[in-house]
Amino acid sequence: DAKTTQPTSMDCAEGRAANLPCNHSTISGNEYVYWYRQIHSQGPQYIIHGLKNNETNEMASLIITEDRKSSTLILPHATLRDTAVYYCIVRSRMDSSYKLIFGSGTRLLVRP
Amino acid sequence: GAGVSQSPRYKVAKRGQDVALRCDPISGHVSLFWYQQALGQGPEFLTYFQNEAQLDKSGLPSDRFFAERPEGSVSTLKIQRTQQEDSAVYLCASSTRTGTRGYTFGSGTRLTVV
Repeated sequence: DAKTTQPTSMDCAEGRAANLPCNHSTISGNEYVYWYRQIHSQGPQYIIHGLKNNETNEMASLIITEDRKSSTLILPHATLRDTAVYYCIVRSRMDSSYKLIFGSGTRLLVRP
Repeated sequence: GAGVSQSPRYKVAKRGQDVALRCDPISGHVSLFWYQQALGQGPEFLTYFQNEAQLDKSGLPSDRFFAERPEGSVSTLKIQRTQQEDSAVYLCASSTRTGTRGYTFGSGTRLTVV
């Protein structure tokens, strides 16, 4: 699987947009970009995923560059409850195991 | 059920003791995964089931670790002769067969080996 690179930590002010970057320069054409987050003492939670088009749901937006080598997860109006570790994961559509390979993620702190 | 349920929530085991961790996936979810998460690190894949078939056990760290899902629903992760390095949170996740729409994780079982 392609590996991803994320900043170790970030912070943003409550009510502002949080933009979390992810580099996946070796991604191949049949690999999705997934984002999960993990709030303290809970299991990871699915946020959003995409292949090459930008995606938006009730939680976040995912912007994928045209060359697909990087992406940004956007939380439009961060709240204190968005403080968590955010994982960017690349997963092959062809992987018969369908497993997710987590990295170290980005620890996002939302400040009051 | 509405979510993935794991039990017990916490387990303290003496070194050398055997433990069994249970996972109740979302009803109808074909795929089930076990992960191990050490303190301060991301989850690491252990094993994967599709229905009752264990299709990938490449992440199991040793032959002391054993997982089963005999009827294709509830799964048990068993660790024999526990050691201190087995201390971690053990997470279970379930999904539809491909998991394209994301996996649902349980809250995990925190195992402490003393």
